[in-house]
Amino acid sequence: SQQGEEDPQALSIQEGENATMNCSYKTSINNLQWYRQNSGRGLVHLILIRSNEREKHSGRLRVTLDTSKKSSSLLITASRAADTASYFCARGNNAGNMLTFGGGTRLMVKP
Amino acid sequence: ETGVTQTPRHLVMGMTNKKSLKCEQHLGHNAMYWYKQSAKKPLELMFVYNFKEQTENNSVPSRFSPECPNSSHLFLHLHTLQPEDSALYLCASSQGGGDETQYFGPGTRLLVL
Repeated sequence: SQQGEEDPQALSIQEGENATMNCSYKTSINNLQWYRQNSGRGLVHLILIRSNEREKHSGRLRVTLDTSKKSSSLLITASRAADTASYFCARGNNAGNMLTFGGGTRLMVKP
Repeated sequence: ETGVTQTPRHLVMGMTNKKSLKCEQHLGHNAMYWYKQSAKKPLELMFVYNFKEQTENNSVPSRFSPECPNSSHLFLHLHTLQPEDSALYLCASSQGGGDETQYFGPGTRLLVL
């Protein structure tokens, strides 16, 4: 299976703190993406990092990719209550036409 | 709004019913996807269509039947479902050229009684 592990499965922090979520995978990838899902809704794309990139930023988001360890992390800085959601990493296959999602991290940011 | 719409948003059906889920994308994309999201399970890819051709069927039971009449529309026909098929069904689309950011619809919450 290409499905990897995301940890932690659940994370609870106070507003203003940083949140770090990790994703590991087993097979080679074309890219790795992070998505956010509010309860019972569709997923929203946050950021894509290609296999030849090591770090990427978007606003308060910072994503790193270590292909030697087959792992990625998503850092949300200065978290807000509105960041409460589930966060998923998705591995893009080498053909670039399919994504395999992990089980997600449920983040709760307390005001 | 992501540019991908799904109808209905909620559906309750009996095991002998026939129903269809509809997805429409307004992004000019060439690839469309159906996913199933059950409680406490990772998102499961069901079907992939590229340029209206089915390119992936992830061992989905035949009681789920997809249809893609054009690049903008995708249907999922449901027939004699089981209670364990109750889930959130998500449609997504992507450009289809290799940069595979996917854009998701809001999903259809399906309950099979």
